Amino acid sequence: QVQLQQSGPGLVKSSQTLSLTCTVSGASVTSTDSYWTWIRQVPGKGLEWIGFISYRGSTNYNPSLKSRLAISVDSSKNQFSLNLSSVTAADTGVYYCLRDRLYSISRYYYYAMDVWGQGTTVTVSS
Amino acid sequence: DIQMTQSPSSLSASVGDRVTITCRASQGIVNALGWYQQKPGKAPKCLIYAASILQSGVPSRFSGRGSGTEFTLTISSLQPEDFATYYCGQHNSHPRTFGQGTQVEI
Repeated sequence: QVQLQQSGPGLVKSSQTLSLTCTVSGASVTSTDSYWTWIRQVPGKGLEWIGFISYRGSTNYNPSLKSRLAISVDSSKNQFSLNLSSVTAADTGVYYCLRDRLYSISRYYYYAMDVWGQGTTVTVSS
Repeated sequence: DIQMTQSPSSLSASVGDRVTITCRASQGIVNALGWYQQKPGKAPKCLIYAASILQSGVPSRFSGRGSGTEFTLTISSLQPEDFATYYCGQHNSHPRTFGQGTQVEI
């Protein structure tokens, strides 16, 4: 059974860097069928896709966050991490790590965000 | 970015009711759509992917249809544990985008 366990502080001061880690069990971050992804849920804005890192270490970021964002992977620990710099109150919300996995059905391929971490409530304080 | 629009934003229903939620994409996404259920204080849970394929362990009262730009999620007979917020999300391209959610309440 695949599980994602999130860790990291729930309180970050304005202008500092938000750092979260997601530890994967039951699957490998080097798996070729998955994008290891971060999403956040900001009050009043719904679900916002932040970005992913692939098994190759390639990344894809939301353009609105790209200048402040870094997602990395540590295959030795089977973890991937999020760093968001220069945070403001607008970055307050619940952050989720998840697996965006490729499924093969009858020669066709489909993605599904099938396993999620428990979520981390992050508050940016002044 | 692909915009996803859900309707209604909320609905009231009773146990046993048939409920349908609609999701529209701003451009064609073939059938690269998922439906997610979120209960208060919990992470979203994948119910359906590829517009109509039930995720393992999801009850058969949930079903999805559609392709291109219009999709539906139907709950054939609403159960007490189904009261939650439902989101559609497109898997056609990055950035992944989601509808604003439909809250199903009593």
